[in-house]
Amino acid sequence: SQQGEEDPQALSIQEGENATMNCSYKTSINNLQWYRQNSGRGLVHLILIRSNEREKHSGRLRVTLDTSKKSSSLLITASRAADTASYFCATDAEGAQKLVFGQGTRLTINP
Amino acid sequence: SQTIHQWPATLVQPVGSPLSLECTVEGTSNPNLYWYRQAAGRGLQLLFYSVGIGQISSEVPQNLSASRPQDRQFILSSKKLLLSDSGFYLCAWSLRLAGDSEQYFGPGTRLTVT
Repeated sequence: SQQGEEDPQALSIQEGENATMNCSYKTSINNLQWYRQNSGRGLVHLILIRSNEREKHSGRLRVTLDTSKKSSSLLITASRAADTASYFCATDAEGAQKLVFGQGTRLTINP
Repeated sequence: SQTIHQWPATLVQPVGSPLSLECTVEGTSNPNLYWYRQAAGRGLQLLFYSVGIGQISSEVPQNLSASRPQDRQFILSSKKLLLSDSGFYLCAWSLRLAGDSEQYFGPGTRLTVT
């Protein structure tokens, strides 16, 4: 079964608006990561947040982590057409040598 | 800088034919290597991972196999393809254990089994 589940499955917004995607997971984790995938391409790592961190920023990206609720959110501010992609969260179980990816959120930014 | 290559980029194979997909990493030593499969519009399913030469861990029982003949080479194989093997195959590498390190993905191979 999937460790991470993203919500919503699809999101369509206007350029300039903020986009928020959520991820829920089931077991204890060391870290949670977010990746982006443009259509037909490989995944690109965006940000890693550790289990002892609550919030992390990288450019227009803001990630929060609530380990008590086993959830994370990815906020993209001032969206651009180039942000159109699928976004995945990935989690590890403590001590695991692998990541488990969710099903992803398909984000469409309309010009 | 590190780069990861996959080939071929696309492949159309008949049912029952063999398969060999190759992944190579440049610019790093002793990486952890991963093979994933992605069905259309879905997330990634981990197939195999390797922490060293000749060390392969299988995640999903199926008719695929993986090998790591060299430190930076990872091969995905099948003796007889099934229709259900169609998908987008992604190779990735990381420096440390998956949970402590980001993964870097190759461009992928689109496999269609007919």
